[in-house]
Amino acid sequence: DAGVTQSPTHLIKTRGQHVTLRCSPISGHKSVSWYQQVLGQGPQFIFQYYEKEERGRGNFPDRFSARQFPNYSSELNVNALLLGDSALYLCASSFQEPYYEQYFGPGTRLTVT
Amino acid sequence: SQQGEEDPQALSIQEGENATMNCSYKTSINNLQWYRQNSGRGLVHLILIRSNEREKHSGRLRVTLDTSKKSSSLLITASRAADTASYFCATDGETSGSRLTFGEGTQLTVNP
Repeated sequence: DAGVTQSPTHLIKTRGQHVTLRCSPISGHKSVSWYQQVLGQGPQFIFQYYEKEERGRGNFPDRFSARQFPNYSSELNVNALLLGDSALYLCASSFQEPYYEQYFGPGTRLTVT
Repeated sequence: SQQGEEDPQALSIQEGENATMNCSYKTSINNLQWYRQNSGRGLVHLILIRSNEREKHSGRLRVTLDTSKKSSSLLITASRAADTASYFCATDGETSGSRLTFGEGTQLTVNP
């Protein structure tokens, strides 16, 4: 079975630009979460979606937004990119919430110059 | 602020030795999960332990949970060079739903 997939693998953007990251959960999983991991730190929670509804939002500015589609895939959008947005963006899926293991994708490495 | 804190920050051992990593957290939890990460790549799920469980095994991994001390430990027995990675604990809480709160991680190096 395919695991969580994310695209693209790597991305280089300049300050002020916009970026869209994509995630496909494990088949049958209805919950998708997004995390940001800055080099040398643990991942930080950004968003969680379950059954296409936002169920949680971390301490991130409004420049960050996300959505979940009917097939449970998800997009993370970041507007007006800052240098500090450079990080590994991780997507995780789980069967349902809560009490279930969350499985992570390989991540998208975003570099903002 | 971080919910979980791993200890030690870095650990270097020889192949065949056991590696023990600890995690402490601050608030009540539903579950605690351990993950492995190789060189800035995706997180690999290792094991989940629920708040009403005290110990769990999976292959060479043993996880314990002490909710009275708000701490967990991950033991890797008979370590291999391939176990070299960063290890993170992550908690989800009664008030935070299924969002995971991670610690800073322990960097484990297993020397051949």
